[in-house]
Amino acid sequence: KQEVTQIPAALSVPEGENLVLNCSFTDSAIYNLQWFRQDPGKGLTSLLLIQSSQREQTSGRLNASLDKSSGRSTLYIAASQPGDSATYLCAVRAGTTDSWGKFQFGAGTQVVVTP
Amino acid sequence: EAQVTQNPRYLITVTGKKLTVTCSQNMNHEYMSWYRQDPGLGLRQIYYSMNVEVTDKGDVPEGYKVSRKEKRNFPLILESPSPNQTSLYFCASSFAGSYEQYFGPGTRLTVT
Repeated sequence: KQEVTQIPAALSVPEGENLVLNCSFTDSAIYNLQWFRQDPGKGLTSLLLIQSSQREQTSGRLNASLDKSSGRSTLYIAASQPGDSATYLCAVRAGTTDSWGKFQFGAGTQVVVTP
Repeated sequence: EAQVTQNPRYLITVTGKKLTVTCSQNMNHEYMSWYRQDPGLGLRQIYYSMNVEVTDKGDVPEGYKVSRKEKRNFPLILESPSPNQTSLYFCASSFAGSYEQYFGPGTRLTVT
């Protein structure tokens, strides 16, 4: 069964510092990987989606990389701001036909950016 | 506005009283899914649907039922709720090509 791990569980950085968030998965047979942001008591907001054939995706200050062979994805947030404070989750979609619609989520990394 | 809506947003009920949480999307998405989120356990998938009349179990389907009679709606049914189903529930949808999921605002359910 696919296991998705996010380390660290929590992270505090001063404003302006770059953020590096990690996501690891045990089964490299994935269809895609998606990064989300969740604010307290709110739903999930999609940040970036990386298909299994891609190595990275970029949107503004965000960059996500994917290394399927090593089972890792990294989300980089450049020049962090207090508004980036949230919990960041990664989700992996199974790449095998018998689990086509299944997703596994990591437990998330809670980020605090201090002014 | 493209969105996934859930109703109700908050619900307190008693053990054994059947309830339905509705989910609707206006993006013509083929794929829809239900998750529950619990502290320390993260998000876990309950059921998903690849299209109308096509549903399958996720990792934690026990105690839940779903149906997909229309493309836009994917209700979650708890026939006999128990306290261990107290949780925050999310519905999500996506196109079948990309599987980029869009989430609803969540339903906080308390079963006493």
